[in-house]
Amino acid sequence: AQSVTQLDSQVPVFEEAPVELRCNYSSSVSVYLFWYVQYPNQGLQLLLKYLSGSTLVKGINGFEAEFNKSQTSFHLRKPSVHISDTAEYFCAVSLWGAAGNKLTFGGGTRVLVKP
Amino acid sequence: SAVISQKPSRDICQRGTSLTIQCQVDSQVTMMFWYRQQPGQSLTLIATANQGSEATYESGFVIDKFPISRPNLTFSTLTVSNMSPEDSSIYLCSVLQDTTDTQYFGPGTRLTVL
Repeated sequence: AQSVTQLDSQVPVFEEAPVELRCNYSSSVSVYLFWYVQYPNQGLQLLLKYLSGSTLVKGINGFEAEFNKSQTSFHLRKPSVHISDTAEYFCAVSLWGAAGNKLTFGGGTRVLVKP
Repeated sequence: SAVISQKPSRDICQRGTSLTIQCQVDSQVTMMFWYRQQPGQSLTLIATANQGSEATYESGFVIDKFPISRPNLTFSTLTVSNMSPEDSSIYLCSVLQDTTDTQYFGPGTRLTVL
């Protein structure tokens, strides 16, 4: 079975500073990788995804992530954060080609952007 | 991406009662899912809602506690039965966009059980 580890439960960062959220996964088969964001009192919004192709993936709101197969990682980055980026971020995987495409989520990383 | 709505958006319920949550999507989808997010926690899959057949439940979740209906390709309901305070959570539905193998989520239903 696959699993996802988000190494940081909380990340405080100053406005306009860069941020990196770490995500590692384990799986015996190929996976699809996703980052979702949850703003306070809202549902989940898809930030970006890796299904195949280029390992550097660009998403919405200036976020990007890089898939590293050898390190089984999919870290999320943003070069300059805004106050509005304060939210919880979830990394998730699903098995490539598996019937059902069930998602397994990491524990989440809470980002607090300070002025 | 699909537009997904859930009703109710939040509710406060008494112990021992049941609540049915509705999920509506604006296009036909093959697969719908129900997740639970306990306070301060990540998301856990409850079940996959299959149109025309019984839902498929994950380990730790049973049909008697979380009955699910999927009458057509745009709608599903999740019932939380015989509620206890431990059922206080956000319940989210999601749909799978077949062409991109990507799940999109509804806004969630915030349930508080007293």
